[in-house]
Amino acid sequence: QSVLTQPPSASGTPGQRVTISCSGSSSNIGSNTVNWYQQLPRTAPKLLIYSNNQRPSGVPDRFSGSKSGTSASLAISGLQSEDEADYYCAAWDDSLNGYVFGTGTKVTVL
Amino acid sequence: EVQLVQSGAEVKKPGESLKISCKGSGYSFTSYWIGWVRQMPGKGLEWMGIIYPGDSDTRYSPSFQGQVTMSADKSISTAYLQWSSLKASDTAMYYCARGYDSSGYLYYYYMDVWGKGTTVTVSS
Repeated sequence: QSVLTQPPSASGTPGQRVTISCSGSSSNIGSNTVNWYQQLPRTAPKLLIYSNNQRPSGVPDRFSGSKSGTSASLAISGLQSEDEADYYCAAWDDSLNGYVFGTGTKVTVL
Repeated sequence: EVQLVQSGAEVKKPGESLKISCKGSGYSFTSYWIGWVRQMPGKGLEWMGIIYPGDSDTRYSPSFQGQVTMSADKSISTAYLQWSSLKASDTAMYYCARGYDSSGYLYYYYMDVWGKGTTVTVSS
């Protein structure tokens, strides 16, 4: 049972903005930085956002992250067909003394 | 180019032992963590633990403590994940990933480079 909760699914049409939430607690999101990973079908995960809102080199600026209190969000603006994937939030958890992933959100482009 | 190359797919029987590998290249292997992540068929990502090849500091998820052993050979830039007695429930894809943290306490930890994964199938 993951300690970071995400909606199981999200969808939008091409060009729309989609937002994915990630709810945690004071021992993880509340005290540590949040990261987001994208997993395209049948491929390894890829780092999408680190340190709450930083994009690694090569990640389009359509992807943005934010954090407030014990929750975080990933926004995809200008949704494209190639954004259809599973998205996971993650953070270090001080109580568990380990890294925790969110439950994952499947994004569908309609 | 920074990359992690994982060993090939494995098919094993329950009770057998197994050691899979993850070889790093293109960066200082001893200066970053190596993490392991399990993904069971059709399921989400589960963090198993991390090892720092520089000093072999190892942290296990409580869910995997005692179930697997992580190790690293810095002379050949390779990390390992091993089981002494496999179960059918170990059937999964296993990813290794390079971990970075600037805090010194893992508060800012993230996994920036991933291997392609090793499929482990355990069946009688």
